[in-house]
Amino acid sequence: AQTVTQSQPEMSVQEAETVTLSCTYDTSESDYYLFWYKQPPSRQMILVIRQEAYKQQNATENRFSVNFQKAAKSFSLKISDSQLGDAAMYFCAYRSADSGAGSYQLTFGKGTKLSVIP
Amino acid sequence: NAGVMQNPRHLVRRRGQEARLRCSPMKGHSHVYWYRQLPEEGLKFMVYLQKENIIDESGMPKERFSAEFPKEGPSILRIQQVVRGDSAAYFCASSPLAHTEAFFGQGTRLTVV
Repeated sequence: AQTVTQSQPEMSVQEAETVTLSCTYDTSESDYYLFWYKQPPSRQMILVIRQEAYKQQNATENRFSVNFQKAAKSFSLKISDSQLGDAAMYFCAYRSADSGAGSYQLTFGKGTKLSVIP
Repeated sequence: NAGVMQNPRHLVRRRGQEARLRCSPMKGHSHVYWYRQLPEEGLKFMVYLQKENIIDESGMPKERFSAEFPKEGPSILRIQQVVRGDSAAYFCASSPLAHTEAFFGQGTRLTVV
């Protein structure tokens, strides 16, 4: 079974600075997807960024980028120019790319609470 | 195109009562997934349904929990005889096809008193 580990329960960053959230995962599969979700106080789960394991290039979405290290099974999220609206829980998630059973399931880490200091 | 709609947003039940959580998927989506988020935890998969069919309920507790997705109307997650440990946020997600990206609703926070 796949597991996702986020070792930082809480992080803080000064507004306009850069912060990196860590995520490691364990899998025996070679093809899969990795995601970062943001959960603000409203509780809505918002997809921030996704990475296909077969792509070597790291995904970017505006101020959000990832550092995907497949051999190390590491998938960190970098937030540049942090804004007050970035304050939220951030969840790392894994999904198999195998079209068989279970590939629709997302496996989540426990989350990192990010605070942004004005 | 409205997003995934869940209601109620908050639900309070006394121990032993029944809880019914509703999920209307995005228009055109026929695949629905339910997840549970316990306090201080990430979301955990419960069940996957297509219209009128349960595809995978491997994450559902064996007793008291059931889910349905009828031909007409929303998907329903039903918890009978609720206990304090059922207090959690329950999220629904939907997708147009299997194995494609799912979009989440805002969740229902169930509190059992």
